[in-house]
Amino acid sequence: KAGVTQTPRYLIKTRGQQVTLSCSPISGHRSVSWYQQTPGQGLQFLFEYFSETQRNKGNFPGRFSGRQFSNSRSEMNVSTLELGDSALYLCASSLYGPNTGELFFGEGSRLTVL
Amino acid sequence: GNSVTQMEGPVTLSEEAFLTINCTYTATGYPSLFWYVQYPGEGLQLLLKATKADDKGSNKGFEATYRKETTSFHLEKGSVQVSDSAVYFCALAPGSGGSNYKLTFGKGTLLTVNP
Repeated sequence: KAGVTQTPRYLIKTRGQQVTLSCSPISGHRSVSWYQQTPGQGLQFLFEYFSETQRNKGNFPGRFSGRQFSNSRSEMNVSTLELGDSALYLCASSLYGPNTGELFFGEGSRLTVL
Repeated sequence: GNSVTQMEGPVTLSEEAFLTINCTYTATGYPSLFWYVQYPGEGLQLLLKATKADDKGSNKGFEATYRKETTSFHLEKGSVQVSDSAVYFCALAPGSGGSNYKLTFGKGTLLTVNP
């Protein structure tokens, strides 16, 4: 069974640009969560989607947005990039959500903002 | 809200040494507790979990016991190997009665095991 796939794996942007990251969950998983990982802040929750509905959102500015499609694939978008947005963005999927079950993580998309 | 506090690293051990990484939590209700591991260049993967008080999770020689009285979930291994070198994250999920739909992670502990 294929794991969680994130694309692109690496990308470099400049301040002010916008970026879209993609996540394909494990087949049959309907929940997708996104996290930002940085050395200073650790793993910070961005949002969680289940069957195309956002059920929870972390404390990030409105520049960070996401969506989920009917096939459970998810995208997140960051507009007007800032240097501090440089991070590893991790996507995780699960059958019903993170409340009691295991999350399966992708390898992440490493974003560098110059 | 929910929070997880884990031992700051880095932790450096010699092969075959005993490992403890402390983790305490704050939560309402009946959370589930997890340890995830991140090897260099990879995403996180579940190491072990416990869903109710006094449960012991175990995997690959690692163990952790869910202690409600001390709100702790410390990770232990009797004899570490070089291949155990990784970052370890303690995490909390709100449980089936929760509605905030997220795992809350500790800041991670970098473990380096030297031969």
